[in-house]
Amino acid sequence: GEDVEQSLFLSVREGDSSVINCTYTDSSSTYLYWYKQEPGAGLQLLTYIFSNMDMKQDQRLTVLLNKKDKHLSLRIADTQTGDSAIYFCAEKTSGTYKYIFGTGTRLKVLA
Amino acid sequence: ETGVTQSPTHLIKTRGQQVTLRCSSQSGHNTVSWYQQALGQGPQFIFQYYREEENGRGNFPPRFSGLQFPNYSSELNVNALELDDSALYLCASSQAGDSSTDTQYFGPGTRLTVL
Repeated sequence: GEDVEQSLFLSVREGDSSVINCTYTDSSSTYLYWYKQEPGAGLQLLTYIFSNMDMKQDQRLTVLLNKKDKHLSLRIADTQTGDSAIYFCAEKTSGTYKYIFGTGTRLKVLA
Repeated sequence: ETGVTQSPTHLIKTRGQQVTLRCSSQSGHNTVSWYQQALGQGPQFIFQYYREEENGRGNFPPRFSGLQFPNYSSELNVNALELDDSALYLCASSQAGDSSTDTQYFGPGTRLTVL
């Protein structure tokens, strides 16, 4: 079956690192994505990783993928107040057209 | 390069009415997907359009229908509105056949409230 799970809340202090976790069930997932959603807005693509990769780094963002455990994480270095938002992970399986989203993790950054 | 745009921004309807939401895809993109995001939830896939044909559908009833036009813009139509249809409706465009990821880029959404 298709299911993507995330913890609901994360609170960090400004300047610390944030780690947002995601687990998925579909072992045939090919691409995994992280999106950011600010209040009242659409989804902004942050980064993605192909399933044959273990890690991807993009400036302050580091994505780690443990395919054996079906676990994906997003690390934000030097978290800023502007990073406060809801973060969604999503998976896509090869040959399909839809993304399966998690329920989102609300990140609150304390000044 | 223009991003994905949606109209209207907000909409209020009553039960039983019909609604049409519009989406313009990002330039260079030929595929449009629609998602429903209920409050506090992640987006749920409704359907996707490619070359003016429905290319796949999620678990939504037939009263949710759509169109794609030759310029790749799209409409989502919902008939016989129910209270549970109140949600943020997101449109995403992508380039099918892209050798990378078919990455979907989202618009700002239309907030539909059904009273």
